[in-house]
Amino acid sequence: EAEVAQSPRYKITEKSQAVAFWCDPISGHATLYWYRQILGQGPELLVQFQDESVVDDSQLPKDRFSAERLKGVDSTLKIQPAELGDSAMYLCASSLGSTGATFGSGTRLTVV
Amino acid sequence: AQSVSQHNHHVILSEAASLELGCNYSYGGTVNLFWYVQYPGQHLQLLLKYFSGDPLVKGIKGFEAEFIKSKFSFNLRKPSVQWSDTAEYFCAVNNNDMRFGAGTRLTVKP
Repeated sequence: EAEVAQSPRYKITEKSQAVAFWCDPISGHATLYWYRQILGQGPELLVQFQDESVVDDSQLPKDRFSAERLKGVDSTLKIQPAELGDSAMYLCASSLGSTGATFGSGTRLTVV
Repeated sequence: AQSVSQHNHHVILSEAASLELGCNYSYGGTVNLFWYVQYPGQHLQLLLKYFSGDPLVKGIKGFEAEFIKSKFSFNLRKPSVQWSDTAEYFCAVNNNDMRFGAGTRLTVKP
């Protein structure tokens, strides 16, 4: 079964440092999502891509977060500088239209 | 504001009990509705989805959900839960983007 690949699985970084996460969606999936999930809460949409274009980044803290999907395939989410409150699970998901998203295993970020 | 509400934060049941988890949304127009499950230590997995047609949809592992348009609801049900159903359950709505509820933690006692 096709999977959404994310790396790294775990990341520990000091506050004020830069950190980046990578996602490779299922082949052919035009829609790619980045979510942040804090323990005990539901996933919060950060950014949605349709191919290489951003469809929705209304919840993305643009002063420190950026996301790109240059060739419309894999994607990178960056945080610079990281803050303590950024500690969370960062999830990537992809979908073919509105058929339901397939999620990756996520990157657990700890900011110390 | 558009939102997805899950009424129950934590539900505790004994094995063989029936389950119903509530989900309401506030989006207007056409929406696609989903239930996802997250088992301990695992990633989110799709349980079932509704796009159109029969408002009663069946998913994996004996779960089903009913879409009631007039109530903006999409409740998840299972007639008889098992210990292995212990997990976090998330309702999601797709209306141009996919938004999730806060989740309901289900604990099934053996």
